[in-house]
Amino acid sequence: DAGVTQSPTHLIKTRGQQVTLRCSPKSGHDTVSWYQQALGQGPQFIFQYYEEEERQRGNFPDRFSGHQFPNYSSELNVNALLLGDSALYLCASSSGTTKNIQYFGAGTRLSVL
Amino acid sequence: QKEVEQDPGPLSVPEGAIVSLNCTYSNSAFQYFMWYRQYSRKGPELLMYTYSSGNKEDGRFTAQVDKSSKYISLFIRDSQPSDSATYLCAMSVQGGSEKLVFGKGTKLTVNP
Repeated sequence: DAGVTQSPTHLIKTRGQQVTLRCSPKSGHDTVSWYQQALGQGPQFIFQYYEEEERQRGNFPDRFSGHQFPNYSSELNVNALLLGDSALYLCASSSGTTKNIQYFGAGTRLSVL
Repeated sequence: QKEVEQDPGPLSVPEGAIVSLNCTYSNSAFQYFMWYRQYSRKGPELLMYTYSSGNKEDGRFTAQVDKSSKYISLFIRDSQPSDSATYLCAMSVQGGSEKLVFGKGTKLTVNP
């Protein structure tokens, strides 16, 4: 049973560029949440997607956007990258009935130079 | 005041010790309480979750929730070097907003 998979594992970008991160949920899950984890901190909620719509959003600017596809996979897009966007970006999946119980992928480490 | 407070440690114990990890929270609406283990440069791995109050045991791990004190704990018995990791507590409300609110994590080292 494949768990949550994320790609790529590591990205290096420069300020002002745009980046797209991808996530495939655990088999049987239909809800995807994205989190940002800065070094030495706990993950911070960015947004959650269910039925191809953004259901909730954390305290992140509009530069952060996302999408969910009919197969439940998801993308996180970040525009106009800032140095402060350097972090581990985590995708978590859950099922429609127990969205609180979330399983995480290994993350994408983004470095902005 | 942050919604979830967790002592970042670091915590260093000898192999075989009993480890106690704790979090406090301020939002009384939290109903789900999770513990995740995160190895260096990896994603968080769900260890245990508890709904509402009470205790839950899984092998060497025991999770406790005291909603009256807004305090949760994770106990690790007979700790092993492989338990060395950062432990994150996370909480969420039921219905409406299922976002997880995390503590900063406690870095644990178990010395052989």
